[in-house]
Amino acid sequence: SQQGEEDPQALSIQEGENATMNCSYKTSINNLQWYRQNSGRGLVHLILIRSNEREKHSGRLRVTLDTSKKSSSLLITASRAADTASYFCATDGEGSSNTGKLIFGQGTTLQVKP
Amino acid sequence: DAMVIQNPRYQVTQFGKPVTLSCSQTLNHNVMYWYQQKSSQAPKLLFHYYDKDFNNEADTPDNFQSRRPNTSFCFLDIRSPGLGDAAMYLCATSRDWFSYEQYFGPGTRLTVT
Repeated sequence: SQQGEEDPQALSIQEGENATMNCSYKTSINNLQWYRQNSGRGLVHLILIRSNEREKHSGRLRVTLDTSKKSSSLLITASRAADTASYFCATDGEGSSNTGKLIFGQGTTLQVKP
Repeated sequence: DAMVIQNPRYQVTQFGKPVTLSCSQTLNHNVMYWYQQKSSQAPKLLFHYYDKDFNNEADTPDNFQSRRPNTSFCFLDIRSPGLGDAAMYLCATSRDWFSYEQYFGPGTRLTVT
């Protein structure tokens, strides 16, 4: 069963604006990861947040995790045209029987206009 | 630079003609994965290796097979490709099985004619 659902499916903003993407999941997790995928390319790992963490930063990226609501958000501040890509959240499945495999959400397609 | 390499980047095959996609890594990671990604969809795990231990996803068609002859290389064999198998195939690695980030190759775009 699909673990992650992302919202919105598509987002279009102007350069310099902030972009927020949300991810919801269904079962308990050990960690949640965010990946970026440029068109026609492989995925690039952005950030990993563990279930006992609430917020994590990496450069212009801020990720929050609310395990009570089973949701996460990715904020990209001061967006650039080079941030145009699809962004996927991925969770590691059910906590008690974690096998380590990742289940990806459907992704948010972000377009940043110059 | 340590990396995950996939060859070829683009592969065209005929309906029913076997095809092999390859992946190599210089990261010396224990785990290697194969994903299938269709247009505008999430990557879907086909199978993975932990070292030489092979793990098949329950819904991976029998048409798909994999080999890992050593730590560095992993192959995806599609025995009789159908039109529905046209997709991007992504190879990924991780240092270990649990709670580790995955490193992806650039993918192989498979077209079936």
